[in-house]
Amino acid sequence: DQQVKQNSPSLSVQEGRISILNCDYTNSMFDYFLWYKKYPAEGPTFLISISSIKDKNEDGRFTVFLNKSAKHLSLHIVPSQPGDSAVYFCAASAVTRGSTLGRLYFGRGTQLTVWP
Amino acid sequence: DAGVTQSPTHLIKTRGQQVTLRCSPISGHKSVSWYQQVLGQGPQFIFQYYEKEERGRGNFPDRFSARQFPNYSSELNVNALLLGDSALYLCASSLGGQNEKLFFGSGTQLSVL
Repeated sequence: DQQVKQNSPSLSVQEGRISILNCDYTNSMFDYFLWYKKYPAEGPTFLISISSIKDKNEDGRFTVFLNKSAKHLSLHIVPSQPGDSAVYFCAASAVTRGSTLGRLYFGRGTQLTVWP
Repeated sequence: DAGVTQSPTHLIKTRGQQVTLRCSPISGHKSVSWYQQVLGQGPQFIFQYYEKEERGRGNFPDRFSARQFPNYSSELNVNALLLGDSALYLCASSLGGQNEKLFFGSGTQLSVL
């Protein structure tokens, strides 16, 4: 059963515009969320994360919003650049006290294409 | 600093064979996790090791096994390969604390014929 869902397999955005990638989750125990970017023939690269005690985290052009009541998070990229074209994965974890982060639940990914 | 390194990068096996994949974590990282990524899907958790002990196991059959060595490198073994084991196998490392990011290697692309 898919506990993290990315319902849009692809997104196409013009350079300079905002890209919004969405992610939903079903497990209410998830308390830590991450976004990864993946280029072909490379491993996923960490982008940004957010803890469940926050509703927003910003890092440069990337902002992640978390709506716990709706079990929804989104990644905003402003402004979008052609180099942002990649597959974006949403991931979640239920980090119990004293444990170590290792098990992430991933969505299926969204292919972002930013065109000039 | 070197990132997470995996070997080999590509591998072709036939059904029934056994395979060993290797991973070296980032220097100083004590936790190693393994993931399987089938085409069109997100990575699926297989194992996590921390300080040479298994800390978690995903929903994979006993044909899958792993271990972590004193230098924190790790091996993933898959026995009696099936066609469905064809996938990208990713290794990730972290320091081992809570709320950390995982650093991924480029993966080993396994094809089972």
